[in-house]
Amino acid sequence: SQTIHQWPATLVQPVGSPLSLECTVEGTSNPNLYWYRQAAGRGLQLLFYSVGIGQISSEVPQNLSASRPQDRQFILSSKKLLLSDSGFYLCAWTDGTGGLQPQHFGDGTRLSIL
Amino acid sequence: GQQVMQIPQYQHVQEGEDFTTYCNSSTTLSNIQWYKQRPGGHPVFLIQLVKSGEVKKQKRLTFQFGEAKKNSSLHITATQTTDVGTYFCAGRRSGGSNYKLTFGKGTLLTVNP
Repeated sequence: SQTIHQWPATLVQPVGSPLSLECTVEGTSNPNLYWYRQAAGRGLQLLFYSVGIGQISSEVPQNLSASRPQDRQFILSSKKLLLSDSGFYLCAWTDGTGGLQPQHFGDGTRLSIL
Repeated sequence: GQQVMQIPQYQHVQEGEDFTTYCNSSTTLSNIQWYKQRPGGHPVFLIQLVKSGEVKKQKRLTFQFGEAKKNSSLHITATQTTDVGTYFCAGRRSGGSNYKLTFGKGTLLTVNP
């Protein structure tokens, strides 16, 4: 069966520090991968999605970036964190055509910026 | 861009009462999905609707997709404390990207035992 792993589960970072969140999927090939941010425990904002290695689509201009160095690995990064980057970051995967398939979410990373 | 509105934002009910959340899109959708997020957890897929006017049931949950494929609803009959959580709808714009879902802001349901 397929599983998705996200780490770390919680993270406290100072303003201006770098960020790297990692997400890996097991048990499937060529997944579509997604990064979402959920602020204040509510709505999901799509940040990035990827349909293949090295292919990244950005939805919201910001100081975050994403990379997909391997088929089942998706990384969210920042060179300098802002206070507004605090939130709950969720990685998700789908197979097939993406929009017509369920999104399977990881457990998320709670990021607090001090 | 596409917007998906969900109402109400919050709903508090007594256990045993019914609950409904509504989802409205600014554009025609090719499909709509519903997710449930328990407090402290991540969203979990519940169901997908694709056909105009489609109705699907899962035990006490009834999902509907409007005839114009621009709105949807989730109805829970006789709520239980296990129903607590935030319910999200998410849709793909008809003719839009195959890969993007637009999520509503969710309805937070709390149930008083």
